[in-house]
Amino acid sequence: DIQMTQSPFSLSASVGDRVTITCRASQSISRYLNWYQQKPGKAPKLLIYAASSLQSGVPSRFSGSGSGTDFTLTISSLQPEDFATYYCQHTYNIPLTFGGGTKVEIK
Amino acid sequence: QLQLQESGPGLVKSSETLSLTCTVSGGSISSNDFYWGWIRQPPGKGLEWIGTIYYSGTTYYNPSLKSRVTISVDTSKNQFSLKLSSVTAADTAAYHCARQRIIPGTTTNWFDPWGQGTLVTVSS
Repeated sequence: DIQMTQSPFSLSASVGDRVTITCRASQSISRYLNWYQQKPGKAPKLLIYAASSLQSGVPSRFSGSGSGTDFTLTISSLQPEDFATYYCQHTYNIPLTFGGGTKVEIK
Repeated sequence: QLQLQESGPGLVKSSETLSLTCTVSGGSISSNDFYWGWIRQPPGKGLEWIGTIYYSGTTYYNPSLKSRVTISVDTSKNQFSLKLSSVTAADTAAYHCARQRIIPGTTTNWFDPWGQGTLVTVSS
């Protein structure tokens, strides 16, 4: 199975900050990488698919980059509604696996 | 707007079979463009893909659960279902269903939207 490792485990940031979350795959996955946002008690929401494609309706302050084994999710200017947990997920092969999550908290 | 809703018992006894149904509204489960998946999340933990089904009945399972999982589809009811046998406390989780878009000829795929999730507790 491909292991997905996210860092940091959690971070504290202020509204307006630029935030970067990293996801590393245990082997090359090309650009088969998605990002999701989950708020407490809610279902995950797709933000980015295929490493850098922004899902319709998602604010442009979210962006994704990377290929191979290293990927990043960037929030250019953190908004109050962005405080949540973020997960990466590969789709290179079966089983599909997720990273452990990064919790973004208010500083 | 497509919506998915999970339903089923919230409490299952150890060694028994967990059974859940996902009802799709606002769209057809028989769409050529989409697959349908189950994902679970133990309390306070991360996400685990369980399996995926196409309306034709083709299935894909997580090898770690394959011996215990059955996913089926009922197109007449616009529903798909999950059965997980021989459950233990480790199967306690919120179970989500989701629509899965797969791009033909690639392994590009994603889950969107997701159901709210239903918590299933396995008791001894």
